[in-house]
Order: sequence, then C-alpha cells, then structure tokens
Amino acid sequence: ETGVTQTPRHLVMGMTNKKSLKCEQHLGHNAMYWYKQSAKKPLELMFVYNFKEQTENNSVPSRFSPECPNSSHLFLHLHTLQPEDSALYLCASSQGGLPSSGNTIYFGEGSWLTVV
Amino acid sequence: GQNIDQPTEMTATEGAIVQINCTYQTSGFNGLFWYQQHAGEAPTFLSYNVLDGLEEKGRFSSFLSRSKGYSYLLLKELQMKDSASYLCAVLDSNYQLIWGAGTKLIIKP
Repeated sequence: ETGVTQTPRHLVMGMTNKKSLKCEQHLGHNAMYWYKQSAKKPLELMFVYNFKEQTENNSVPSRFSPECPNSSHLFLHLHTLQPEDSALYLCASSQGGLPSSGNTIYFGEGSWLTVV
Repeated sequence: GQNIDQPTEMTATEGAIVQINCTYQTSGFNGLFWYQQHAGEAPTFLSYNVLDGLEEKGRFSSFLSRSKGYSYLLLKELQMKDSASYLCAVLDSNYQLIWGAGTKLIIKP
C-alpha cells in the first residue's frame, strides 16, 4: 500500500469508447502525475499537476484528457484511443516543489489498459 | 538528447551479490533515483544519490560517479523476493526526471 490508489486496475476498451481512469492519494501531497509505462521502454511522463494547476503536458495526444478537481484526485479521460495506447498507466504523487530525497514520487499500482 | 542506459535483464543466484549499472547523459544533474518494481505492482523508492560515493541501506547500496555519468545498485544476500525490475532515473537541470527502461532481475534458487 503506497497511499496512491488507482481504479480500475484493468480496463479493456474499444477504439470508439469513452472511459476514465481514477487516481486518489491519501498522503497529503500537492503534486500529481500521470505516467505511461510500455514494455521495455522508459516511463513516459504525460501530465503533471501542482496545487491543482497543470504544469506539464508532454505533447500528449488530445485523446487523453486529464482532470484534477482537487489535490487528492486525478483523472485521465480516454476517448477514441488507438491500439498502440495499450499500456500500464501509472499515477503518482509527491509533496510538490523540486524532487529530492525528501520529496520522492510515490506511485500507484497502475491501470492496465488494453485497446481493441 | 537525454539518455539513460541500463541492462534489459540480469540473472543471479539466491544468496549471491548482483550489481545493476546505470549510465546517463543528461542536460545537467540534480540527483539520481533507484526504484524497485515487482510485476504488477507500483514502483517503490529505493535510493537517492546526489553526491559521489556509496550509500548503504541494509542489503542494498547505491553508488554514484558524476564525472563518469555512472551509478550502480548493489544487492547483497539475494532473496527470491528481490526478483523485480529496477528503474534508474536522473533529475536533469530543469528538475525533470529522465527514466531508464529498467532492468529485470531474475533470481534463481
């Protein structure tokens, strides 16, 4: 239990579906992240929210839409995805501010997404 | 470009010692992290190095040489539960985390 909870853990969706991934952190952190993890590839940072404000959007296609209603919750809305979007989507949180040994990133267990 | 290199997979024997290397070329350096990720689970923090030298935490140690752009994670007295992927990540000059693809460590009895 890392203090970051993601639902659903597994999701299969068609290319025309609309679905959402949910993340909740119970650590009192102020920064939240979405990462994409594909097999044998580095973690790809998708979005960062600091104090509910989006501070990073790493050229992510518009079919991925993040939402951060408060500092404890983060959503990733999915629409008209492609098969190559199938991956593990990891949510993470940290204190906010600059990463350091005392400000490490805590990950959730991820949502396995399969696009058919 | 920025790059982190780690071996894709390593195999070691229970009770032995294994060293997982990580080399990096990044725009600036503000620290290096090691994370452990068991299959189907969240990556969890292992260590953070920002100064040269060896940091020891129980059976795990992490070493950094900034001049060589090199780090390693040393695991002693290997246990079956150490079978996992080990992720190396570097904080660049903009405090962005640059991740390696991870090293899958297989422990055999």
